Amino acid sequence: QQQVKQSPQSLIVQKGGISIINCAYENTAFDYFPWYQQFPGKGPALLIAIRPDVSEKKEGRFTISFNKSAKQFSLHIMDSQPGDSATYFCAAPNSNSGYALNFGKGTSLLVTP
Amino acid sequence: DAGVIQSPRHEVTEMGQEVTLRCKPISGHDYLFWYRQTMMRGLELLIYFNNNVPIDDSGMPEDRFSAKMPNASFSTLKIQPSEPRDSAVYFCASSPAWSGANVLTFGAGSRLTVL
Repeated sequence: QQQVKQSPQSLIVQKGGISIINCAYENTAFDYFPWYQQFPGKGPALLIAIRPDVSEKKEGRFTISFNKSAKQFSLHIMDSQPGDSATYFCAAPNSNSGYALNFGKGTSLLVTP
Repeated sequence: DAGVIQSPRHEVTEMGQEVTLRCKPISGHDYLFWYRQTMMRGLELLIYFNNNVPIDDSGMPEDRFSAKMPNASFSTLKIQPSEPRDSAVYFCASSPAWSGANVLTFGAGSRLTVL
């Protein structure tokens, strides 16, 4: 079922630094690439998403960069804050079922003060 | 809207017992998903429904697992009999049709521990 591969598994960044999480996908038919954010004890929540007709999307301190030829997309968190400490998941539509999202295994981000 | 509501939030049971997890999706959402989260396997899709009809249940691990959606506002995930390896956090999520089922709103999850 795993059709998206996410790295790194964990990440420690100092406050004010840039956090970068990468995701590789397999199916070139995918047309939607979201990132979800999950805090302890909560369900994942949509953070930002991109479609492959653009190479970058920015929302506040969060940016998705998309590389169609490499079949990769990444999440950049600028000016990382301790409140950004959470687990981040990339996802892509399940090529078998057509609609449901397959999630990466997650990246645990810790932003130190 | 109160969001996706799941119950119970925590369940501790003994091996062999029946477990029923419940979900109330956001009103007006056409898609409902059940995911399971573990450290080892991450977030796994178990099954999803469109307009109360099961569309893909290929992620349901075994016949011990079953899911129903009798109406647009309620779904259950049942495990019978439960086993220790079923211990996980089970999430329900719903999505509106306009998003192509891509924009998911998750509930807070049901943490299941099978002893």
